[in-house]
Amino acid sequence: AQSVTQLGSHVSVSEGALVLLRCNYSSSVPPYLFWYVQYPNQGLQLLLKYTSAATLVKGINGFEAEFKKSETSFHLTKPSAHMSDAAEYFCAVSVGNAGNMLTFGGGTRLMVKP
Amino acid sequence: DGGITQSPKYLFRKEGQNVTLSCEQNLNHDAMYWYRQDPGQGLRLIYYSQIVNDFQKGDIAEGYSVSREKKESFPLTVTSAQKNPTAFYLCASRAQGRNEQFFGPGTRLTVL
Repeated sequence: AQSVTQLGSHVSVSEGALVLLRCNYSSSVPPYLFWYVQYPNQGLQLLLKYTSAATLVKGINGFEAEFKKSETSFHLTKPSAHMSDAAEYFCAVSVGNAGNMLTFGGGTRLMVKP
Repeated sequence: DGGITQSPKYLFRKEGQNVTLSCEQNLNHDAMYWYRQDPGQGLRLIYYSQIVNDFQKGDIAEGYSVSREKKESFPLTVTSAQKNPTAFYLCASRAQGRNEQFFGPGTRLTVL
């Protein structure tokens, strides 16, 4: 079975600073990996996805993530935080032989200080 | 515009009552999912359906029921057997051959 761990339930950065949200996964087969963003009282929006085509994945709103098989990681980064980035971020893993079920991490709430 | 709609956005229920949450999609997606979200716990899968007239239990199906009579619709009923139903409920769908799921705006259910 697959699993996801997001290190840090809350992360605070200053506006303009680097954003780094950590995600580690466990999977016995090559995974598909996703980052979603959720604003208060809204659904989840897909930020980016890794599907084995390229290890560095670029997403919307200036975010990107790098798949590192040796570290079983898929950390999300953004060079310069903006106030509008304040939200909750979820990492998720899916494997093809599990019916494409998504397993989510516990989420990381990003706070951006002016 | 294509997308997923959930209604109502807010729902209040008295203890002992069943309530049905609506989920409709016009994306022509085959698979649909229901998740429950509680603070600090991420999302947990309740039920999913890969095709019309077929559905499977997820990790926390007890106290819930679903139907999939049409491709576009996947309603979730929260029954009186669900001990702690107050939560944010999210519906999602996925196209055949794709891995990513797309989410609706959610329904917040509060039991009074």
